[in-house]
Amino acid sequence: EPEVTQTPSHQVTQMGQEVILRCVPISNHLYFYWYRQILGQKVEFLVSFYNNEISEKSEIFDDQFSVERPDGSNFTLKIRSTKLEDSAMYFCASRSTNEQYFGPGTRLTVT
Amino acid sequence: EDQVTQSPEALRLQEGESSSLNCSYTVSGLRGLFWYRQDPGKGPEFLFTLYSAGEEKEKERLKATLTKKESFLHITAPKPEDSATYLCAVQTNYGGSQGNLIFGKGTKLSVKP
Repeated sequence: EPEVTQTPSHQVTQMGQEVILRCVPISNHLYFYWYRQILGQKVEFLVSFYNNEISEKSEIFDDQFSVERPDGSNFTLKIRSTKLEDSAMYFCASRSTNEQYFGPGTRLTVT
Repeated sequence: EDQVTQSPEALRLQEGESSSLNCSYTVSGLRGLFWYRQDPGKGPEFLFTLYSAGEEKEKERLKATLTKKESFLHITAPKPEDSATYLCAVQTNYGGSQGNLIFGKGTKLSVKP
C-alpha cells in the first residue's frame, strides 16, 4: 500500500541553524501539506502546496519557513533560523481526492 | 473562528466495554469531517470521512456518525490494540481553502485487558 515517507525521523539542531525536512508524498497525489504538533498539543496546519506553488498558509508559516518541490517526488520544508519554539513533530500529508494521508513525522528538537 | 472540541480528553475502558467519543465543531461551512487514529510518536492514520448529517461509516469495531453540530466515534467491544489517541478534524468549504484540516486535541483511549 502506498504511503507517505519522511526523513529524517529525528533531527536535533542548534538555535539559529537551518534545517530541511524531507517528504516523499504518495506518487499520484497532487496536493501536499505540512502540519506540526508541539508535544501535548493539537496538530496544526502550516502550509498547503498545489501545482508547484503555495496555495494556503497559516499564521505560523512566517518568513522563516519555505517549501519546495525540487523534483517529481520530494517535498521539503525549510526552516531558515530555528528557534526553541520550533521544537515539534512535523508531519507531511498528501491527497488526491479528499482524504489526507500523513507520514510518520520528523521530530525536530532545537537546543 | 472555526473550532473543534473533543471529549473526553482521556477514556479508560475494560476490554469489551463499548463507549463513544465526541467531536463537536463550529465552522462556517463544513466540507468534511475526518477521524484519525494516532499512536504515540506516529503520524495520524486515516479512519473515516463524513460529509453530511446522518451519514455513518463503519470499520471493524469503529463506527462514526455525523450530525449538524457533532460527530461520534462509537467503539464496540474494544480490544487492547484499539488503545490510541483518536483525532477529529474538519475541512471547511471556504472558496480559497485547499482542504487544510483543523484538528481537535484528541481523545486518548486506553483499553485494559
